[in-house]
Amino acid sequence: KQEVTQIPAALSVPEGENLVLNCSFTDSAIYNLQWFRQDPGKGLTSLLLIQSSQREQTSGRLNASLDKSSGRSTLYIAASQPGDSATYLCAVTIGQAGTALIFGKGTTLSVSS
Amino acid sequence: GAVVSQHPSWVICKSGTSVKIECRSLDFQATTMFWYRQFPKKSLMLMATSNEGSKATYEQGVEKDKFLINHASLTLSTLTVTSAHPEDSSFYICSARDVNGFYDGYTFGSGTRLTVV
Repeated sequence: KQEVTQIPAALSVPEGENLVLNCSFTDSAIYNLQWFRQDPGKGLTSLLLIQSSQREQTSGRLNASLDKSSGRSTLYIAASQPGDSATYLCAVTIGQAGTALIFGKGTTLSVSS
Repeated sequence: GAVVSQHPSWVICKSGTSVKIECRSLDFQATTMFWYRQFPKKSLMLMATSNEGSKATYEQGVEKDKFLINHASLTLSTLTVTSAHPEDSSFYICSARDVNGFYDGYTFGSGTRLTVV
């Protein structure tokens, strides 16, 4: 059974710091991996999608890497801002496309000004 | 592209009543949609897979008679919480994927906060 783990569960940093969020999964047979952002009481916003054949994806200050063989992904946030404060969720799709996402429990990030 | 709309955003109902939540794919067709439930400060748990024109597939432990799913068209799936009780209070969220689109990921609705009093 695929399990997704995110470390740390919570993180507080001052504005301007670079930070890394970690995600690990137990079964390397994934189709793709997505990083989402969730603000309190809100839905999910997709940040980055990495296909199983890819090593990384970048969008603005965000960079996500994928090491499928070791079952790990990282989300790097450069020059953090208070507006980055949210819960970040990692999720994988296993097997074929069209199967449901399996989520980690998330990392709650707080960036202080 | 790949926008998913969910309605209502929040609902308060009395115990014993039923509540319907709608999930629409606005600019694409979705033969499959997924329903998740999220408890406070917890991750999303898959409840069921909604299949257009056929029965939904429920995850283990999810009562299909309690959580009725209907996917009658390629753009609409509904989740009905029947005879709701306070323990059903939660955040429900749907997702879909545009299989014919450029983006290969999943898009989520904005979620529905259900409170049963």
